[in-house]
Amino acid sequence: RKEVEQDPGPFNVPEGATVAFNCTYSNSASQSFFWYRQDCRKEPKLLMSVYSSGNEDGRFTAQLNRASQYISLLIRDSKLSDSATYLCVVNLVVMDTGRRALTFGSGTRLQVQP
Amino acid sequence: NAGVTQTPKFQVLKTGQSMTLQCAQDMNHEYMSWYRQDPGMGLRLIHYSVGAGITDQGEVPNGYNVSRSTTEDFPLRLLSAAPSQTSVYFCASSPGGGTTEAFFGQGTRLTVV
Repeated sequence: RKEVEQDPGPFNVPEGATVAFNCTYSNSASQSFFWYRQDCRKEPKLLMSVYSSGNEDGRFTAQLNRASQYISLLIRDSKLSDSATYLCVVNLVVMDTGRRALTFGSGTRLQVQP
Repeated sequence: NAGVTQTPKFQVLKTGQSMTLQCAQDMNHEYMSWYRQDPGMGLRLIHYSVGAGITDQGEVPNGYNVSRSTTEDFPLRLLSAAPSQTSVYFCASSPGGGTTEAFFGQGTRLTVV
């Protein structure tokens, strides 16, 4: 089983639509959570961190459910420029070794259409 | 404002050749890592380093070596290239701590024929 699982999509939505992506992670000791955005043939870039209480950044809302080991990203009023792959990322720190494992989901592709 | 710089951007190797992918960061970050990205697989951790002189294996280390002699540089060496190593390679760095953003280089597209 993958440590971080995402629906690969693609999600094809019209401009202005609301779209939600989900992600599940397998290690309950995971400590921090992120959504990254990756444009075609480019490097991943941080979209937003995900906090336990949920957080919002403009049209983007992230939620974390630790009990269900579930992370979500909601995009409201989709723009053409939102077309990209969205990567769910989980950071696990192993305290006795200091090892940090930034584990990526395989990504969900979003295509916003005019 | 360089951030994380990877070279080369593209490379074609013949099976059995060796090469080094370069990665340098100018943000004084402790933590650096190498990932490979294959279609449908997401990014997989190859090796990482929590500081100069310290390296450790990630999820898919076989066929790769790393060293960290300075804070700034973290080269990835392919010992004897194989077609299975055809991939896009990303180097990343982040400040200390487990809750911080990772900054990525622009990637190296490697093809092994």
